[in-house]
Amino acid sequence: AQSVAQPEDQVNVAEGNPLTVKCTYSVSGNPYLFWYVQYPNRGLQFLLKYITGDNLVKGSYGFEAEFNKSQTSFHLKKPSALVSDSALYFCAVRGENTGFQKLVFGTGTRLLVSP
Amino acid sequence: GAVVSQHPSWVICKSGTSVKIECRSLDFQATTMFWYRQFPKQSLMLMATSNEGSKATYEQGVEKDKFLINHASLTLSTLTVTSAHPEDSSFYICSALRAGGHQETQYFGPGTRLLVL
Repeated sequence: AQSVAQPEDQVNVAEGNPLTVKCTYSVSGNPYLFWYVQYPNRGLQFLLKYITGDNLVKGSYGFEAEFNKSQTSFHLKKPSALVSDSALYFCAVRGENTGFQKLVFGTGTRLLVSP
Repeated sequence: GAVVSQHPSWVICKSGTSVKIECRSLDFQATTMFWYRQFPKQSLMLMATSNEGSKATYEQGVEKDKFLINHASLTLSTLTVTSAHPEDSSFYICSALRAGGHQETQYFGPGTRLLVL
């Protein structure tokens, strides 16, 4: 069975500092990994994905994520946080052999960037 | 980009009535759409997978007669909450799958907040 763990309910960081939001996964076969961001009372916005290729994936709004197969991790990073980055972040995964391309989501990590 | 819309964005209804929510992919065709439910401060729970031209596939524990899904075209899926009750109050989010081999990505609508009185 597929699963995603986001071990931190909340991450606090000061504006201008680097940020990391952690994600580990478990799937059978090769993983398809995604990060989404959700602002209050809104749907999810796609940030980036890893399907194959380079382990470092660059996405929207200056975010990037690094796929680490040995550690089964896909942590989200940004070199310099903005107050406007404050939101709820979801990591999601599906295995390459999963029918109907269903995603399994983590429980979400709230990012709070202080001025 | 890939844009997905939902309508309405919020709805208040009386207990026992039915509510229809529309999900549209505006700039791409989606043979597969998904319906999720999100409770406050929780993750998304997949309710069902909607495939154009065929019956939806429901997740375990989701009543198919309660949550009717129709995927009549490549750009439109609808979710009808029948005989709604207060416990159906929630935030419903749809997504549309933009396929293309390894480039597949789910794009989400803005969500519909349902309040059943």
